[in-house]
Amino acid sequence: QVHLVQSGGGVVQPGGSLRLFCAASGFTFSSYDMYWVRQAPGKGLEWVAFIRYYETTKSYADSVKGRFTISRDNSKNTLYLQMNDLRAEDTAVYYCTGADDYWGQGTLVTVSS
Amino acid sequence: DIQMTQSPSSLSASVGDRVTVTCRASQDIRNDLAWYQQKPGKPPKRLMYATSTLQSGVPSRFSGSGSGTEFTLTIASLQPEDFATYYCLQHNTYPYNFGPGTKLEIK
Repeated sequence: QVHLVQSGGGVVQPGGSLRLFCAASGFTFSSYDMYWVRQAPGKGLEWVAFIRYYETTKSYADSVKGRFTISRDNSKNTLYLQMNDLRAEDTAVYYCTGADDYWGQGTLVTVSS
Repeated sequence: DIQMTQSPSSLSASVGDRVTVTCRASQDIRNDLAWYQQKPGKPPKRLMYATSTLQSGVPSRFSGSGSGTEFTLTIASLQPEDFATYYCLQHNTYPYNFGPGTKLEIK
């Protein structure tokens, strides 16, 4: 059975950093492109970042470019999102997703002083 | 970047109705469009991709059409479980972008 289990969310002050984790199981993680998608409270979906299955190709939404870094460790079946210089507008539930439309459970990131 | 718009932003309908949601792209995305359904407190669920290819397990009352810059999602006969918010996503060019969503409510 496929699982994407997320961790690493929480409350952080503006300008701070957080790292999100997405642990995959039940499918061949190293064969699939992976993504992060977020949703601010009461708002729509926002595509955040992408990483190719072989790691070297990445893309970011303009709103996070230069502040967020997506990465993966195929030996650990884990996807990461390093978030630096966080702003209030980054407050959202963050989802990892990929493969045949598998989704993590979501993790809340709150940026507040 | 490619921008996506959707209409209507909300829609009231009854069980059994046929409903259509429209999604427009700011530039040609060929047929590289997906549709997602989201219910409150849950992750989104992909209904179809490449405009009209149904995700496994999605009922055939859902269909998609279009190409280039204009696309539609049609639900042939609304069921109670279909009341949700629907989003389009262009998967032609990075960065991908979602539309702002269409909330489908019970009349």
